[in-house]
Amino acid sequence: EVHLVQSGAEVKKPGATVKISCEVSGYTFTDYFVHWVRQAPGRGLEWVGLLDPEDGKTKYAEKFQGRVTMTADTSTHSAFMELSSLRSEDTAVYYCAGSWDSTEGFDYWGQGTLVTVSS
Amino acid sequence: DIQLTQSPSTLSASVGDRVTITCRTSQSVNNWLAWYQQKPGKAPKLLIYKASTLERGVPSRFSGSGSGTEFTLTISSLQPDDFATYYCQQFNNYSQCSFGQGTKLDI
Repeated sequence: EVHLVQSGAEVKKPGATVKISCEVSGYTFTDYFVHWVRQAPGRGLEWVGLLDPEDGKTKYAEKFQGRVTMTADTSTHSAFMELSSLRSEDTAVYYCAGSWDSTEGFDYWGQGTLVTVSS
Repeated sequence: DIQLTQSPSTLSASVGDRVTITCRTSQSVNNWLAWYQQKPGKAPKLLIYKASTLERGVPSRFSGSGSGTEFTLTISSLQPDDFATYYCQQFNNYSQCSFGQGTKLDI
């Protein structure tokens, strides 16, 4: 059975950096792209970017370029998303999702990590 | 960026009804269009990909159609478990992804 288990909720001050983890089990970690999607309270889904754990290549949504970094640790089957220069608008639930073929949708999802940015 | 516009934004229906949700894209996405169901406090769940292919384990009352810039998700006979929010999503060959704004389906 596939599981994507994310790290726990975070509370950060404006200007700080947050790093969220996503540990994968149940499939070969390097066979699936890892996408990060966020959802602000009461709002829709917003794509942040993707990571190919096999070679570490990334693609970020233009909105987050320069503030987001996605990495992988193949030894622990974990993906990480770091978002810097946090502002209140970054308050959201952040999801990781696994995708065999990104044009065929995101097959598996983590449980979400709530990041609250507040002074 | 490709914009996705869903209609309606909210939809009220009853158990047993047939409902259709539309997703229009600002430019052609070929058939690289997926649909998700999301319930409050839960992660989205993939229902359909490549516009019309049903994900494993998804009930056959769900179906998708369309190509180019107009797509539909149809639920043939609503069940109580289907009341949720639905999102369309595209992923193109420039490795860019976007979601529709969502359609809330309620009783």
